[in-house]
Amino acid sequence: QQQVKQSPQSLIVQKGGISIINCAYENTAFDYFPWYQQFPGKGPALLIAIRPDVSEKKEGRFTISFNKSAKQFSLHIMDSQPGDSATYFCAASRNSNYQLIWGAGTKLIIKP
Amino acid sequence: NAGVMQNPRHLVRRRGQEARLRCSPMKGHSHVYWYRQLPEEGLKFMVYLQKENIIDESGMPKERFSAEFPKEGPSILRIQQVVRGDSAAYFCASSPQGGEQFFGPGTRLTVL
Repeated sequence: QQQVKQSPQSLIVQKGGISIINCAYENTAFDYFPWYQQFPGKGPALLIAIRPDVSEKKEGRFTISFNKSAKQFSLHIMDSQPGDSATYFCAASRNSNYQLIWGAGTKLIIKP
Repeated sequence: NAGVMQNPRHLVRRRGQEARLRCSPMKGHSHVYWYRQLPEEGLKFMVYLQKENIIDESGMPKERFSAEFPKEGPSILRIQQVVRGDSAAYFCASSPQGGEQFFGPGTRLTVL
């Protein structure tokens, strides 16, 4: 019940394309869903986060789509750029001030 | 406003030695979290602390591991009698009351 399942494990997208990463959770008590971006040798950096009272949140080229009934949420990166190449993690928690449960990560490579 | 500081960035210990990892939260943040990351995996929650209090240590191994966040000074994650399986990246995050978690650059522990 504490798991967050993330897919795909790795993803290669052409420059300018749309990158899509999916996550699913089981614990209905989760109400905070952030996405983090991590470059090699660095700590995770918060990219965007959503709460279940909205179905979509957009910040620049990054969009989270949230489906409460399916217990799924996804990250869309529009107009993907080589600088977006990184590992992306989804996470979930009971609120932003609580322990985060992490997906296994998606290694994204954007080909120029 | 400096970000979350962690030191050392790299730490090498021989089996049986002690490892001390330090974390200075962002200014104004009173909540600290420690996570462990194995290669090619997501982060795993270890412990959540507020000043002078352990709020949740459900992710901490029962033996050899301890954490503190004193009234003055950084938070310390202490691993006694390290074993090879303790080799990992250890990340600290901090947050203000009810806010999002911001991560430090991590300490990479290698046990020989």
